[in-house]
Amino acid sequence: DQQVKQNSPSLSVQEGRISILNCDYTNSMFDYFLWYKKYPAEGPTFLISISSIKDKNEDGRFTVFLNKSAKHLSLHIVPSQPGDSAVYFCAALRASGGSYIPTFGRGTSLIVHP
Amino acid sequence: GAVVSQHPSWVICKSGTSVKIECRSLDFQATTMFWYRQFPKQSLMLMATSNEGSKATYEQGVEKDKFLINHASLTLSTLTVTSAHPEDSSFYICSARGRKLTYEQYFGPGTRLTVT
Repeated sequence: DQQVKQNSPSLSVQEGRISILNCDYTNSMFDYFLWYKKYPAEGPTFLISISSIKDKNEDGRFTVFLNKSAKHLSLHIVPSQPGDSAVYFCAALRASGGSYIPTFGRGTSLIVHP
Repeated sequence: GAVVSQHPSWVICKSGTSVKIECRSLDFQATTMFWYRQFPKQSLMLMATSNEGSKATYEQGVEKDKFLINHASLTLSTLTVTSAHPEDSSFYICSARGRKLTYEQYFGPGTRLTVT
């Protein structure tokens, strides 16, 4: 049972346009969300996060939106650049025993064409 | 930024042998470390969570006797795959967090394990 879903395995975007990556979750106990970027044969690198008490967080070209009622979050990249081509993972955190346990989606492969 | 290293980056071992993977936080003290496994085109699957000085907490379905995790210091955690089989071949990634209440994790570069 996937608690965090990224339903689009891949996304292709033209350079300069907006990339929108989506993520849905089912567990209302998640209270923090993160986006990671991953290149092949490398570990993920942290991009941006959002707390469940907020609906938007912006950092440069990256903006994450959270819709708690719909249990949906999205990552917007604008303008998209070829170097943004990578796999993007959405992760949700839930508190457990004084720590935070992450659950990852399957990832969306973003290709930005020059 | 925080740096996490893994060693080795790539290992081939024979079926039935054991292999140890190290995860080190290079410039911060990691109170919590996570071990993940990733199959091709699949998500990162959390295997276990370890807090420094205490036993690891394994996720459901992960055999604790097969995947031995030791978090002996604030900068080092090890994952030992015992009696490896070809189906254990995978990409293993560790991540580390500095404080319990910090949300961010810093990932290592991963270790590709191939069991022949």
